Amino acid sequence: AQTVTQSQPEMSVQEAETVTLSCTYDTSESNYYLFWYKQPPSRQMILVIRQEAYKQQNATENRFSVNFQKAAKSFSLKISDSQLGDTAMYFCAFTSYNQGGKLIFGQGTELSVKP
Amino acid sequence: EPEVTQTPSHQVTQMGQEVILRCVPISNHLYFYWYRQILGQKVEFLVSFYNNEISEKSEIFDDQFSVERPDGSNFTLKIRSTKLEDSAMYFCASSEAILRGADTQYFGPGTRLTVL
Repeated sequence: AQTVTQSQPEMSVQEAETVTLSCTYDTSESNYYLFWYKQPPSRQMILVIRQEAYKQQNATENRFSVNFQKAAKSFSLKISDSQLGDTAMYFCAFTSYNQGGKLIFGQGTELSVKP
Repeated sequence: EPEVTQTPSHQVTQMGQEVILRCVPISNHLYFYWYRQILGQKVEFLVSFYNNEISEKSEIFDDQFSVERPDGSNFTLKIRSTKLEDSAMYFCASSEAILRGADTQYFGPGTRLTVL
C-alpha cells in the first residue's frame, strides 16, 4: 500500500528566510503524481504545487519549489522569501492512475512564519 | 476563477440524525471526491465519483454513507445515522478527467460537521 510520511510535525522560520519541508513516500508504481497543499487557519485546502513522477525537472511556482528525488522517494518543498501569509499546515499528497482518484495525504507539517 | 463551493459551512446535528452535505464542483470537471479531516489529524479519502458511479471508496465509506449527483451541478454526501465520531471537516473536491483520477484536485472550503 502507498504511504506518505511527513516527519516534521512543526517548523518555524523567520520572515524573508527560506525553509524546507520534508516528505517521503512509498510506492511500487513508476508513474504517479505528487502534490503539496496548504491549509491556513481557515482550513481551506489550497494547491501549492504538483509534480509528475515522469518529469525529471523539479516543479516551481513563484517562491515555491520542490526537490523531487525519485530513487529516494523524497519530495520536499522549499519556500523562499517566507511571508507571514505562508503560515499554515502543509500536506504532502500522492496519487496515481491505480488509485481511482484517491489522494493519499501525509500527516502534515505546521509552519509558522515569524516577523 | 472557478471554485468549488460547499454548503452549509457548519452543520450541527444530533446523533442518529441524517445529514446531507452539498457541493457544487467546478463546472467542467467530471471527477468528484469527498474527504474528511478530524480535528488535528490528516485528511482522509472517503470516495471518488465519475460517470455517475463510485470509482473508489475507502474503508471509512460504509453503508451509512452515500453520494449522489442529483442534477447537473450538485454533488452530495449523505450520512444516514450520524455518530459522534463523524464529527469532522468534510471537504468536497473536483478535477478534470484527462488523467482519469490523477488530475489535480481542487478543494472546496469544507463543511464542519458537529454531532452532539
